[in-house]
Amino acid sequence: KAGVTQTPRYLIKTRGQQVTLSCSPISGHRSVSWYQQTPGQGLQFLFEYFSETQRNKGNFPGRFSGRQFSNSRSEMNVSTLELGDSALYLCASSEGRGGEKLFFGSGTQLSVL
Amino acid sequence: DQQVKQNSPSLSVQEGRISILNCDYTNSMFDYFLWYKKYPAEGPTFLISISSIKDKNEDGRFTVFLNKSAKHLSLHIVPSQPGDSAVYFCAARTSGANNLFFGTGTRLTVIP
Repeated sequence: KAGVTQTPRYLIKTRGQQVTLSCSPISGHRSVSWYQQTPGQGLQFLFEYFSETQRNKGNFPGRFSGRQFSNSRSEMNVSTLELGDSALYLCASSEGRGGEKLFFGSGTQLSVL
Repeated sequence: DQQVKQNSPSLSVQEGRISILNCDYTNSMFDYFLWYKKYPAEGPTFLISISSIKDKNEDGRFTVFLNKSAKHLSLHIVPSQPGDSAVYFCAARTSGANNLFFGTGTRLTVIP
């Protein structure tokens, strides 16, 4: 089975722009979660989608949003980018039954200038 | 508010010796704990986990110990190998949830 695929791998944007990141989960996995990794904060949970519905949400501002499609692929959008949004954004997938092991993609490294 | 803490940003160990990575948590509702390993330019990969009903779980060279009263867990790697050099993240979750609370990571360097 192919692993979790995230595109693009690297992205450079300027303040005020918006960005969309993409994640394709492992085949058969219906849950997709997004995490932000920064040097001082570790990995922080953004949100989780299951069957096209947001099931859980972390403590991030409304500029961070996501969606999931019927094929379980997910996108994450950040609007009005700020310098502090520079981070590695990781996507993880699981079957979605709850309490399972998460499989992570390699991430998208976003730099905001 | 960091609910999972890894107070040692880095650790260096000689090859063949034991590596001990520590993790503390504050939320008593956490009932499942995991360790992930991360190499540069890759996503975290699952290493080992432990349920709160146990105090030890072993998988080959890796053992995780849980002390619920102290809200502390540790990962022991014996013997340490150069290929173990990576960043190790401790994570925790509540019952039935998928979202994980991660620590800030400990960079382990195993010196040949």
